[in-house]
Amino acid sequence: AQSVTQLGSHVSVSEGALVLLRCNYSSSVPPYLFWYVQYPNQGLQLLLKYTSAATLVKGINGFEAEFKKSETSFHLTKPSAHMSDAAEYFCAVSGLGSSNTGKLIFGQGTTLQVKP
Amino acid sequence: EAGVAQSPRYKIIEKRQSVAFWCNPISGHATLYWYQQILGQGPKLLIQFQNNGVVDDSQLPKDRFSAERLKGVDSTLKIQPAKLEDSAVYLCASSLVATARTDTQYFGPGTRLTVL
Repeated sequence: AQSVTQLGSHVSVSEGALVLLRCNYSSSVPPYLFWYVQYPNQGLQLLLKYTSAATLVKGINGFEAEFKKSETSFHLTKPSAHMSDAAEYFCAVSGLGSSNTGKLIFGQGTTLQVKP
Repeated sequence: EAGVAQSPRYKIIEKRQSVAFWCNPISGHATLYWYQQILGQGPKLLIQFQNNGVVDDSQLPKDRFSAERLKGVDSTLKIQPAKLEDSAVYLCASSLVATARTDTQYFGPGTRLTVL
């Protein structure tokens, strides 16, 4: 079985400060991990994904995440927050569906607030 | 490239009424997903199609929810009769490859359903 836990449902940072959004996973198969961002009244947009190549994954908009197997973590970071980064962020693990096809299992989400 | 299209964007109905949502995936994408996103939670997979066949509907409440994907392109999700707890955003997503766990899912803007 697969599951995702996002620590902190709400994170607030000042503009220009480091962004750190935490994600821990549980997976009975080799994990493939994703971060998605959701802006108000919009669908989810892929930020980055880990597919067992490099453990440090770079994504769009200056975000990156590091896969740490020993810690079962895939935390999302950005060195300097921008006002436009305010949104909801979802971590997801790709599990196995009932037909052994890929299915995403999402965490509960973290709302990022950026203060001027 | 056109993204995933969904309609309507918003729907308000009374309990015990029926409702239908429509999704048009990205052209050429074999796999189509319907997710339910309840306020404050991450999306939860309801049903997954590969072309016009169902590959995973293990979390679809089949007594009231139904979905079809005619000709392997557009899809319709129906709820009949609706309950208060069905109030949520219904997201449609599509991906290019049918079975790859690493494949990126592209999301539409969603339909926000309110059941009164």
